[in-house]
Amino acid sequence: DIHLTQSPSSLSASIGDRVTIACQASQGISQHLNWYQQKAGKAPNLLIYDVSNLEAGVPSRFSGSGSGTDFTFTISSLQPEDVATYYCQQYDNLPLTFGGGTKVEIK
Amino acid sequence: QVQLQESGPGLVKPSETLSLTCTVSGGPLSSNYWNWIRQSQGKGLEWIGYINYSGNTIQNPSLKSRVTLSIDTSKNQFYLKLTSVTAADTAIYFCARESGYIGSNGRFDYWGQGALVTVSS
Repeated sequence: DIHLTQSPSSLSASIGDRVTIACQASQGISQHLNWYQQKAGKAPNLLIYDVSNLEAGVPSRFSGSGSGTDFTFTISSLQPEDVATYYCQQYDNLPLTFGGGTKVEIK
Repeated sequence: QVQLQESGPGLVKPSETLSLTCTVSGGPLSSNYWNWIRQSQGKGLEWIGYINYSGNTIQNPSLKSRVTLSIDTSKNQFYLKLTSVTAADTAIYFCARESGYIGSNGRFDYWGQGALVTVSS
C-alpha cells in the first residue's frame, strides 16, 4: 500500500495568513493526488484533483502543487470558514489511500 | 444535483454482519464507480472498495475476505456487507461517487453524510 504522510498534523494560524500543508507519498504517484476538506460532522469535500486542479465552485485561495512523492496544499489567505481537517488522497495504486489529515484552526 | 444517503443498523454485535445501503438520487447508477469509505479514530479514512454499474468490484485487500459489494441499478442503490465484525470495525461509513464516467479515476466528488456503525454486544 502507498502510505501518505501529512505534516503538520495540526496548525493554528491567523485570519489572512498563508497556510501550507505537506503530503509525502511512500513511493512515486505521478500526478495522482487529490485534496479534501472535512468540516466537523460532515463528509469530506473534494477541493483539488490531479495535484493542482480546482474542483468547480472551490475558492481560488486554495491551490496545490507537486509531483512524484512530494506535494503541497496551500490556502493563500486563511478565512474563518476554512477551519477544517484537510486530507490528501492518492489514486495511483490500489488500494486508494488517504493521508492522516491536518487540522487547521484559527489563532 | 446528485445526492447519496447511507442507511442501515447503527449497532451490530461482534461476529455478526454489517449491512449498509447507499441510495443515490439525482442521477443514474448506470455510470460512474460507487465506493465505500470508512472513518475511524484509529485508522482515519480507509477505502473499502468500489463497484460499477456492471457489478464489477474491487475491494481493499485488508478487508477483501469479509467484504461483499453489490448494486441494484433499478433501485438506484448499492450495498455493503462486512462479515465477522469486531470493535475495530466501529466507524462512520460513507458512500461516495467517483467522478469518472468511463472508468475509475479515484476522485470522489459526491459523498453521503455518513452512517455511524458501532460494533458492541
